Amino acid sequence: ETGVTQSPTHLIKTRGQQVTLRCSSQSGHNTVSWYQQALGQGPQFIFQYYREEENGRGNFPPRFSGLQFPNYSSELNVNALELDDSALYLCASSRTSPGELFFGEGSRLTVL
Amino acid sequence: GENVEQHPSTLSVQEGDSAVIKCTYSDSASNYFPWYKQELGKGPQLIIDIRSNVGEKKDQRIAVTLNKTAKHFSLHITETQPEDSAVYFCAARESSGSARQLTFGSGTQLTVLP
Repeated sequence: ETGVTQSPTHLIKTRGQQVTLRCSSQSGHNTVSWYQQALGQGPQFIFQYYREEENGRGNFPPRFSGLQFPNYSSELNVNALELDDSALYLCASSRTSPGELFFGEGSRLTVL
Repeated sequence: GENVEQHPSTLSVQEGDSAVIKCTYSDSASNYFPWYKQELGKGPQLIIDIRSNVGEKKDQRIAVTLNKTAKHFSLHITETQPEDSAVYFCAARESSGSARQLTFGSGTQLTVLP
């Protein structure tokens, strides 16, 4: 059984740019959640996708957006990057909503 | 919304000793409490969880206790080993809302000294 995979693992952007992060959910899982983890902090919920629709959102501005595809993979897009967006972005999938979350290794974004 | 506080932020124990990490939550409607272990450069890994209808759950050297009245839950690791060294996060999930997202504590860096 393949776990949650994320790409890219590391990337560097400059302030004002846009970034797309990708996630493949674990086999059999139809729900994907995205979390932001700043250095030394616990993960913070960004949003969740279930059956290709946004199913809930945390306290993040609209420049954070996402997609879920028919194969349940997902993208996180961040526009107009700010320095504070530097963080580890974690994707987690679950068999249903709600359900046990299984996390990927994350994408480490550095904004200069 | 839910707020989870976790203590201590760092914990060092001798190999073979026990380690205890404590968390409190604010929303009495929360009903699911997982614990995650995060090793350096990796994503969080679910190690144990407990639901609000249970007071204690054990899995080999790991146990979790839940006190709903006091709104706190704890992770207990016995016979610690160097490979237990990692950052541990507690989390709570609300019982209502569409996403029922997890709210995480700020983490505990556990170091097991050989």
